[in-house]
Amino acid sequence: DTGVSQDPRHKITKRGQNVTFRCDPISEHNRLYWYRQTLGQGPEFLTYFQNEAQLEKSRLLSDRFSAERPKGSFSTLEIQRTEQGDSAMYLCASSLGHLGQGVGPPGGNTIYFGEGSWLTVV
Amino acid sequence: AQSVAQPEDQVNVAEGNPLTVKCTYSVSGNPYLFWYVQYPNRGLQFLLKYITGDNLVKGSYGFEAEFNKSQTSFHLKKPSALVSDSALYFCAVRGQYNFNKFYFGSGTKLNVKP
Repeated sequence: DTGVSQDPRHKITKRGQNVTFRCDPISEHNRLYWYRQTLGQGPEFLTYFQNEAQLEKSRLLSDRFSAERPKGSFSTLEIQRTEQGDSAMYLCASSLGHLGQGVGPPGGNTIYFGEGSWLTVV
Repeated sequence: AQSVAQPEDQVNVAEGNPLTVKCTYSVSGNPYLFWYVQYPNRGLQFLLKYITGDNLVKGSYGFEAEFNKSQTSFHLKKPSALVSDSALYFCAVRGQYNFNKFYFGSGTKLNVKP
């Protein structure tokens, strides 16, 4: 399988518990993104990695959220002390990026999404 | 500020008729524009993109989109709709100088009736 893989697909947890989601990007992609999507809305940017470096975090990412990409391959998104407002689909995406401002490599610039991880906090 | 607007929450079209899903954008520099489709309880699937070149871009499943710089629009089109095209469609924009952040519209639900 050459797509973006996310695990678990569904998670139901009690308020106050910690949850962790894993994302395996497309193998040659150096950029990895986490987005959050709630019902009736488009995806909202959470954070972004270039290789193992986390280069940007949204203000949506409170201090209860942490993301890592330790070896520049897979990534984890952990939510501590979950709240009902955290219920959403968490989407991982990856892309083949480059440093220049030009068009870039064929197939570059596009982000490819995984199937998402649904979180329900009860 | 960068943003995307999809003015229609829902578009209804009969099978076999042409369809248009509208998108307008605001971005710094030249826009990188994308369309994605989402089926229920699934992730987003890439349909097509405009980076540079011909204003009419063709993508997957017979979809195409037309970039109009003066109107800052990137409408999605298909000459003949299929019932299986029924899904949620998202327009997204990335700025020329901001590699990492894609901004998505709120989505348009396309209903194709037999």
